[in-house]
Amino acid sequence: DAGVIQSPRHEVTEMGQEVTLRCKPISGHNSLFWYRQTMMRGLELLIYFNNNVPIDDSGMPEDRFSAKMPNASFSTLKIQPSEPRDSAVYFCASSLPGTGFNEQFFGPGTRLTVL
Amino acid sequence: QKEVEQNSGPLSVPEGAIASLNCTYSDRGSQSFFWYRQYSGKSPELIMSIYSNGDKEDGRFTAQLNKASQYVSLLIRDSQPSDSATYLCAVFNTGNQFYFGTGTSLTVIP
Repeated sequence: DAGVIQSPRHEVTEMGQEVTLRCKPISGHNSLFWYRQTMMRGLELLIYFNNNVPIDDSGMPEDRFSAKMPNASFSTLKIQPSEPRDSAVYFCASSLPGTGFNEQFFGPGTRLTVL
Repeated sequence: QKEVEQNSGPLSVPEGAIASLNCTYSDRGSQSFFWYRQYSGKSPELIMSIYSNGDKEDGRFTAQLNKASQYVSLLIRDSQPSDSATYLCAVFNTGNQFYFGTGTSLTVIP
């Protein structure tokens, strides 16, 4: 079975550029989560969707960040404009109906470097 | 005060020993608690969840929850070098918010 798929795996960009991270959840999963991990702040929940609807985006750091889930099999996290402090590993996770946070499966992550 | 706090370590134990990892949380009404393992350069993977006071055992792993003390721990018996990783505690609180601790790095010495 394919797990959560994220692309790209690595992204290097310059300050001010737009960055789009992509995630394909596990088929049949109806909850999707975006996280950011840094050494200083650890793993932080940015936003999560249930049945393609954003439920809680209180973790999104600022308006430069936006996330969409146009269908059950695809989500994007966009940063525009990017800044060096956005450098981190961004993880996407998904879970089965009824399990919510209880059984999250994480993707391999996207390592973002903003110069 | 952070929602979830862990000692960052590093924690070193000899092979075959018991590793004890600890976590405290701030929201007294929290109901769901999780332990994730993260190998260097990899994504977190769920190893244990616990919802009631007391112990929950799964193979070499035991999670312990004490809601009165707002404390959750993970014991790893017969530690193996392959257990060397960062262990993340996570809590789902009464505000329907989900928080991870910053993790404890464990090294099992052969």
